[in-house]
Amino acid sequence: KAGVTQTPRYLIKTRGQQVTLSCSPISGHRSVSWYQQTPGQGLQFLFEYFSETQRNKGNFPGRFSGRQFSNSRSEMNVSTLELGDSALYLCASSPGTAGDTQYFGPGTRLTVL
Amino acid sequence: GIQVEQSPPDLILQEGANSTLRCNFSDSVNNLQWFHQNPWGQLINLFYIPSGTKQNGRLSATTVATERYSLLYISSSQTTDSGVYFCAVEQGTSYDKVIFGPGTSLSVIP
Repeated sequence: KAGVTQTPRYLIKTRGQQVTLSCSPISGHRSVSWYQQTPGQGLQFLFEYFSETQRNKGNFPGRFSGRQFSNSRSEMNVSTLELGDSALYLCASSPGTAGDTQYFGPGTRLTVL
Repeated sequence: GIQVEQSPPDLILQEGANSTLRCNFSDSVNNLQWFHQNPWGQLINLFYIPSGTKQNGRLSATTVATERYSLLYISSSQTTDSGVYFCAVEQGTSYDKVIFGPGTSLSVIP
């Protein structure tokens, strides 16, 4: 079975721009979660999508949004980028039941200049 | 909100040594997970352990929910164990607001 894939792997943007990151889960998995990792704040939960619906959301401003498609692929969007948005963005997929093991992708490294 | 602490923050081990990593949390939780992030950034879920003890090869974990802590044991450490170990807690019934600890950075030297 193919693992979780994320595209692009690296991205450089400037302040004020917007960005879209993509995550393809393991086949059959219906849940996709997104996380942000920075040196200062560590790992933080962004949101989780299950069957095209946002099921849970972390404490991030509205500039961070996401969606999930019928094939379970997910995208997250960050609008009006700020320098502090520079981070490693990780997505994880799981079948979707509490307690399921989450499988992480390699991440997208976003740099905002 | 809930606070999650991990100790020690850094650990250097000789290959073959054993170690214990600790995760303390300030409130009751429904779920707790341990993760390993290797030096290349790949995050791997090690254990899902809201209570009790689980073992997987050289790794085992114990969570004492009533006392609000969890321990991760690594026996006969190998250089491939190097990386950062995170615990993460969940207070909701599902994935409500997962809170990560700051991590323990482990270096295993030959």
